Amino acid sequence: DQQVKQNSPSLSVQEGRISILNCDYTNSMFDYFLWYKKYPAEGPTFLISISSIKDKNEDGRFTVFLNKSAKHLSLHIVPSQPGDSAVYFCAASAGETSGSRLTFGEGTQLTVNP
Amino acid sequence: SAVISQKPSRDICQRGTSLTIQCQVDSQVTMMFWYRQQPGQSLTLIATANQGSEATYESGFVIDKFPISRPNLTFSTLTVSNMSPEDSSIYLCSVVGGVFGANVLTFGAGSRLTVL
Repeated sequence: DQQVKQNSPSLSVQEGRISILNCDYTNSMFDYFLWYKKYPAEGPTFLISISSIKDKNEDGRFTVFLNKSAKHLSLHIVPSQPGDSAVYFCAASAGETSGSRLTFGEGTQLTVNP
Repeated sequence: SAVISQKPSRDICQRGTSLTIQCQVDSQVTMMFWYRQQPGQSLTLIATANQGSEATYESGFVIDKFPISRPNLTFSTLTVSNMSPEDSSIYLCSVVGGVFGANVLTFGAGSRLTVL
């Protein structure tokens, strides 16, 4: 039972345009969501998070949107840069203090073309 | 900034053998975890490495297959026992607490194991 799903295994965008990565979840107990970025031969690195009491969180070029009723969140990167090319994982937990016990999606490979 | 080091970074192993992966953190952390990423799949939590007591395993993972040690607040090991090709994965150490912060999981670079 995949509780966090990223239905797009890959996404390709042009430099300067917007990248939108999507994530759906099924567990109603999830109330804290994170995005991680992973380069080859490196571990995932934390990018941005959002609590369920918010519907948007912004950090520079990265914005995460949360739609609780649809159990959907998305990561927007604008403008996209070639250095953003990586695998992006969506993750969720039940309780912000449980940010250590995360359920991950399968990941989306983002390629930003110069 | 604090560093998480994993050894080995990669290895090729023979079926039926065991391999121990080490995770060293250069500062004390509250909690250490072991995740697995099988090819093309998401990261899955194997167990929580508890300092001074037995690890807590997630459903589907057992101590006999994945024995874990955590002798202090900066070090842990994961052993993959009696390996089969299905154990070919990236194994990731992760931590919470200390300089890493309480609510965000920080990962090591991972150990890529290939079992022939």
